This record gives sequence, C-alpha cells and structure tokens, in this order.
Amino acid sequence: KNQVEQSPQSLIILEGKNCTLQCNYTVSPFSNLRWYKQDTGRGPVSLTIMTFSENTKSNGRYTATLDADTKQSSLHITASQLSDSASYICVVSDRGSTLGRLYFGRGTQLTVWP
Amino acid sequence: EADIYQTPRYLVIGTGKKITLECSQTMGHDKMYWYQQDPGMELHLIHYSYGVNSTEKGDLSSESTVSRIRTEHFPLTLESARPSHTSQYLCASSAGQGLPETLHFGNGTRLTVT
Repeated sequence: KNQVEQSPQSLIILEGKNCTLQCNYTVSPFSNLRWYKQDTGRGPVSLTIMTFSENTKSNGRYTATLDADTKQSSLHITASQLSDSASYICVVSDRGSTLGRLYFGRGTQLTVWP
Repeated sequence: EADIYQTPRYLVIGTGKKITLECSQTMGHDKMYWYQQDPGMELHLIHYSYGVNSTEKGDLSSESTVSRIRTEHFPLTLESARPSHTSQYLCASSAGQGLPETLHFGNGTRLTVT
C-alpha cells in the first residue's frame, strides 16, 4: 500500500534553533517528492520539489534531502523564525500515470517560540 | 502567492441546505482540484478536472458535485448538507504541462454543518 509517513507529528523549538522533519514513503513507482508549508487558516504553499535524481534542494533557510534508495526525505530548517510556525506536508507522486497520483502525509506541526 | 481564490472563507449552515463553494483562478491553469482536509489528517482528493467540461471523482467518496464550464471557475456543490460534511475544503490548480507539477492552493473554505 502506498503511504507517506511523517515524523514527528508535532515539534516545538525556540527561535533561532535548527530542526529537521522526516518523511518516509512506500510509494512506488516514485516520480517526485514535494514539501509544502501550510500556515494556519491558509492553503499549502510549495517549498521544494525533488525528482528521483536529486538528493538535495534548498529554498532559503529550507533544505530538503531525498534518499530514493531508503525512501526517506528530510526537511531541515535553519535559524528558525516565528514565521516558520506552520504545518509542513510531504507529498509523493507516483509514475503510475502521465498525471501522477499524489500521496499526502499528515504533516508535522511546527511551533517556534520566542 | 498563487492567484487562486475561494469563497466563502467560513460557512456555518444548517442540515439539509444546498451550498456552493466557489473557486476561481486567474493563472489559466487547465487542471483544478478539490481536496478535503480534517485536522491532523492528510488531504483527500474529492474531485478534479483536466479542462472545460471535464470532471472526475477523486479517491474520497463524496456526495458533492462539481462543474467546469469555464477554465477559471470550478465550483463545488452540496445538494443537502449534513454534519458529516463539516470539514475544510481546499481548491487547487496546476499548469498541467510536464512533470513535476506544482499545486497552487487557495486558502480554503471551512464548512460547519449544524
């Protein structure tokens, strides 16, 4: 069964600290993996997209890694800010069709305290 | 941010009422989607469209219906609302050209059926 599991479910860190969120998936065949940020009361916004051949991608203070062999991805946030408080959702797409089927994780709820 | 708009943002309605959730995008995207999101849970696809006059049901069984008469407009209708329909509804669109695609989400409609 194709699944996307995220950990931890929730995380609290102090402003300025770094953190790493995890995403494990069983989706096969694999096409690409996305990380989205969802602020409270808003829709998700794309942070990074990685295909099979990419193992690291950065977007400002956000760095995503992908290990397609172990089917694991991580999102590292450097020097956290209060505005980083949000839910971070991992989304994996398969290659089963030209359009790609999307599998969503349940998200990691990150809270950054001052 | 993406130019995709949902109205209303919040809706509280009684059981048995007919409601329509509006979604419009100004990006000229061919593909549009409706997702349902409950707290702490993954997004579930309930409807999608590849273009004008094209609509399909998603993975999650839903009593709602959709229409796609214009490229920019993808409304979702519930003929008779029930308390089980209480949820957050997210509309999204994508360009539909090449892979990987990025979903652009609206800010959602939070529906409460009493």
